[in-house]
Amino acid sequence: AQKVTQAQTEISVVEKEDVTLDCVYETRDTTYYLFWYKQPPSGELVFLIRRNSFDEQNEISGRYSWNFQKSTSSFNFTITASQVVDSAVYFCALSEAYPGGGADGLTFGKGTHLIIQP
Amino acid sequence: GAVVSQHPSRVICKSGTSVKIECRSLDFQATTMFWYRQFPKQSLMLMATSNEGSKATYEQGVEKDKFLINHASLTLSTLTVTSAHPEDSSFYICSARNSRSADTQYFGPGTRLTVL
Repeated sequence: AQKVTQAQTEISVVEKEDVTLDCVYETRDTTYYLFWYKQPPSGELVFLIRRNSFDEQNEISGRYSWNFQKSTSSFNFTITASQVVDSAVYFCALSEAYPGGGADGLTFGKGTHLIIQP
Repeated sequence: GAVVSQHPSRVICKSGTSVKIECRSLDFQATTMFWYRQFPKQSLMLMATSNEGSKATYEQGVEKDKFLINHASLTLSTLTVTSAHPEDSSFYICSARNSRSADTQYFGPGTRLTVL
């Protein structure tokens, strides 16, 4: 069984502050995928990043960065110099690899509601 | 980027009626599509995996006779909520896995179902 835990239900920071969203996962598979999605009030999921279990390199994309640590089963997401437009619910998700290769259905964490105050 | 559409985006129906939701991959072939449900202020829960040309695989606790899934072509999967009741009111989201790049799923914009 797989599980994703996002312990932070809601985070509120003032614009321009840095903020880190935590994600801890559980899986018995050695091959799996980790994802982060953003869900604005419109409801549509916005893909942010995908990581496979063999790639522990951290990644930076503009103001966004991700820290993947297999030793602690964590895949944390940091936004630097936050902006009001970053306000949304952020989901971390896990997928096991399906037999033919590629990602299977996703198991989502409960999400973190990020509020950036002007 | 890859585009997945859902229709309708919003539907309101009376209790006891059936509602069909379509999920289409517009610019790629999707052998596999997934259906998720999201209750207000909650997470997304995987309901079922839809495979083109074969029966869907349902997650534990999801009634297959209640949520009928048909994946008749490589670009279309449908979810029919049969005899809908108010407790079926939810946000239904599909995703499609590109047959050529299977490690990525593309999500549709979602369908908000309200059952009166």
